[in-house]
Amino acid sequence: EAEVAQSPRYKITEKSQAVAFWCDPISGHATLYWYRQILGQGPELLVQFQDESVVDDSQLPKDRFSAERLKGVDSTLKIQPAELGDSAMYLCASSPGRGLREAGELFFGEGSRLTVL
Amino acid sequence: ELKVEQNPLFLSMQEGKNYTIYCNYSTTSDRLYWYRQDPGKSLESLFVLLSNGAVKQEGRLMASLDTKARLSTLHITAAVHDLSATYFCAVVLSGANNLFFGTGTRLTVIP
Repeated sequence: EAEVAQSPRYKITEKSQAVAFWCDPISGHATLYWYRQILGQGPELLVQFQDESVVDDSQLPKDRFSAERLKGVDSTLKIQPAELGDSAMYLCASSPGRGLREAGELFFGEGSRLTVL
Repeated sequence: ELKVEQNPLFLSMQEGKNYTIYCNYSTTSDRLYWYRQDPGKSLESLFVLLSNGAVKQEGRLMASLDTKARLSTLHITAAVHDLSATYFCAVVLSGANNLFFGTGTRLTVIP
């Protein structure tokens, strides 16, 4: 069964360091989402891509976070510099077509857990 | 501002008992999702509710949606230990294309 692949699964870094997360969506899925889930809370959308274009990044802290999906396939989420409050699970999700409304559901990866010391 | 609130936040129940988790949202939505999350794991889709009055059942779980009341319920029948997890509801705003998640309900089923 096709899955959304994410790496690394776990990352420990020190404050002010740079960190990057990678996501490979299910083959053929045009829409890709990055969510952040702080421990004990529900996931919150950071950025949504349609192919290689950003559709929604209104909740992305752009002073330190960046996301790209250069060829419209895999995606990278970067944090520089990392802060203590960035400790969270970073979840990637994908869907075919034009996203959730057309496809009906999102397919989530296993997530990348970040701990900032 | 959209708010999606779940009640209760924590639920401890004995095996064999019934209980309901509530999900209230503050603005118009035309679809609602329920997810399950085990500790340290990703999200598992349980139900998609697409219209007012929708009811779906899978095993010991049943979900319903009342769009007029902006309320969804997840009913647990005769709980078993394997149902212990955190349950999230998530709404899709009318015209939007992503999920807004609730606060989550951490369920613990005690033998």
